Amino acid sequence: RKEVEQDPGPFNVPEGATVAFNCTYSNSASQSFFWYRQDCRKEPKLLMSVYSSGNEDGRFTAQLNRASQYISLLIRDSKLSDSATYLCVVSPRGNTPLVFGKGTRLSVIA
Amino acid sequence: EPEVTQTPSHQVTQMGQEVILRCVPISNHLYFYWYRQILGQKVEFLVSFYNNEISEKSEIFDDQFSVERPDGSNFTLKIRSTKLEDSAMYFCASSQSLDGYTFGSGTRLTVV
Repeated sequence: RKEVEQDPGPFNVPEGATVAFNCTYSNSASQSFFWYRQDCRKEPKLLMSVYSSGNEDGRFTAQLNRASQYISLLIRDSKLSDSATYLCVVSPRGNTPLVFGKGTRLSVIA
Repeated sequence: EPEVTQTPSHQVTQMGQEVILRCVPISNHLYFYWYRQILGQKVEFLVSFYNNEISEKSEIFDDQFSVERPDGSNFTLKIRSTKLEDSAMYFCASSQSLDGYTFGSGTRLTVV
């Protein structure tokens, strides 16, 4: 079983659409959870950390369900600039290496 | 905003040659990492470095790989005898805390 699993997409959505990405992880002892964004041939950049209580940053909302080992990211009012690959990332314990999913590709179309 | 700087941005080398990838982490960060990403694949952990020694390494990080912090600013990854399958993007990262990872822009290594 893959450690962090994501739907690879691509998700092709029109501008203004709402899109949701899902991710599951296999290590129930994982402590920290993140969504990163990666543009083509660029480095991963932290989009947001994910907390059990859920958290929101502007148009982006992240949720964590520890019981189901499931993480989600919701993007509202999609912009062309949101086109990228979204990486679900998990850390098993404090300050240990990040475990990346393969990513979900999003294309926002005018 | 502080940056992690990596050089070169692209390196082409012949199979069997040694390469050194260079990184300048953010100055007040304590933890340093190398990750790699083969084209079309996920980002994979190679090694972490803390207090002048390797703190953790993956099964990818075999005897062909080594890391060094030769002075107070640089952090290098050496591949002793490159193989075709070493072709990938190599990302350096540094952090002060778990939420503070910053990745460099990467070195694209092409082994021919």
